[in-house]
Amino acid sequence: GAVVSQHPSWVICKSGTSVKIECRSLDFQATTMFWYRQFPKQSLMLMATSNEGSKATYEQGVEKDKFLINHASLTLSTLTVTSAHPEDSSFYICSTLARETQYFGPGTRLLVL
Amino acid sequence: GEDVEQSLFLSVREGDSSVINCTYTDSSSTYLYWYKQEPGAGLQLLTYIFSNMDMKQDQRLTVLLNKKDKHLSLRIADTQTGDSAIYFCAEREGSGTYKYIFGTGTRLKVLA
Repeated sequence: GAVVSQHPSWVICKSGTSVKIECRSLDFQATTMFWYRQFPKQSLMLMATSNEGSKATYEQGVEKDKFLINHASLTLSTLTVTSAHPEDSSFYICSTLARETQYFGPGTRLLVL
Repeated sequence: GEDVEQSLFLSVREGDSSVINCTYTDSSSTYLYWYKQEPGAGLQLLTYIFSNMDMKQDQRLTVLLNKKDKHLSLRIADTQTGDSAIYFCAEREGSGTYKYIFGTGTRLKVLA
């Protein structure tokens, strides 16, 4: 498989601040990564597909100005939650596409106060 | 749109077999996957099956695919307490985007 890390593993921030979450592919050069969010006891909801060197493709209903995605290298994609509000509190998980299979990071828990 | 359904809960005794079921709707799916999620963690890939296969076995795990009925199952033999987790099935969209559609997840509880 592929090894994926996320940083930070959890973050608490005040409402109105921006939070950046990093997703790293440690042993595979990933042209494509995916960002998901997961509410408690629910399934994963795909937010966007991150493509190295080009703009991310967002799913319907996901605000691209709210959730900024940057995939500047083959090993790093970042998700920035801008002007975070309590309703943005969630578990954010990234995955990398390696050999046509998605491998997931450990997730980042965001709590907005 | 596409939908992937799973039963929410399953409880088994240690040493018994567990069978987790999944139904999907996209007949053009090429691959179907099973992932395991432990509390507060990401998803761990357990196994996958290509759509032209009926069965795949990998140690304690057996995947059965009924493409006609769009039904997928995961059997865990000799279930252990460490198998307690949420299990997600996922289908890969047939559009070539590598996007997955995840099921609702089945919470497996293994009783000692």
